[in-house]
Amino acid sequence: RKEVEQDPGPFNVPEGATVAFNCTYSNSASQSFFWYRQDCRKEPKLLMSVYSSGNEDGRFTAQLNRASQYISLLIRDSKLSDSATYLCVAGGTSYGKLTFGQGTILTVHP
Amino acid sequence: DTEVTQTPKHLVMGMTNKKSLKCEQHMGHRAMYWYKQKAKKPPELMFVYSYEKLSINESVPSRFSPECPNSSLLNLHLHALQPEDSALYLCASSQGSLAGPGELFFGEGSRLTVL
Repeated sequence: RKEVEQDPGPFNVPEGATVAFNCTYSNSASQSFFWYRQDCRKEPKLLMSVYSSGNEDGRFTAQLNRASQYISLLIRDSKLSDSATYLCVAGGTSYGKLTFGQGTILTVHP
Repeated sequence: DTEVTQTPKHLVMGMTNKKSLKCEQHMGHRAMYWYKQKAKKPPELMFVYSYEKLSINESVPSRFSPECPNSSLLNLHLHALQPEDSALYLCASSQGSLAGPGELFFGEGSRLTVL
């Protein structure tokens, strides 16, 4: 089983749609969870940290369910500029390892 | 406008060459990382340095040799690479703490082609 697994995608949605990405992680000792965004031929950039209480940043909402070892990202009112690969990241104990999921490609079309 | 700087941005080398990738951060971060990313794949962890000491080596072949001269610098020395080592090599840093590594800040990467 992969350490971090994501919806394979790709997701192809119209502008204004709501889209949800899911991710599961296998290491119950994981302490740190993030969603990163990566544009084509660019480096990954942090989109959001994910907390058990859930967190929201504008159109983006992230949730963590430790009991189910499950992370989600909800994007509301999708924009063309949201088109990218979304990477779920989990892991880390002190200075430890952060593992990326395989990524989900999102394309938002007019 | 990344705060992690990697050089060179592009590198082409033969299988007998020796080259180095360099990474620098001035955010005072205590953890630095090398990741390797192939096309259409996620970044894969290679090495982690914390407080200038190698803390994780993900069974990387010895033709890749990391070095951390000080808390701001991270090098990756390359020798006798294979064509399948061609990839984007990403350096990252994080604040790190006992609670966890914290978010990763990535450089723009060094795109390596091995002929």
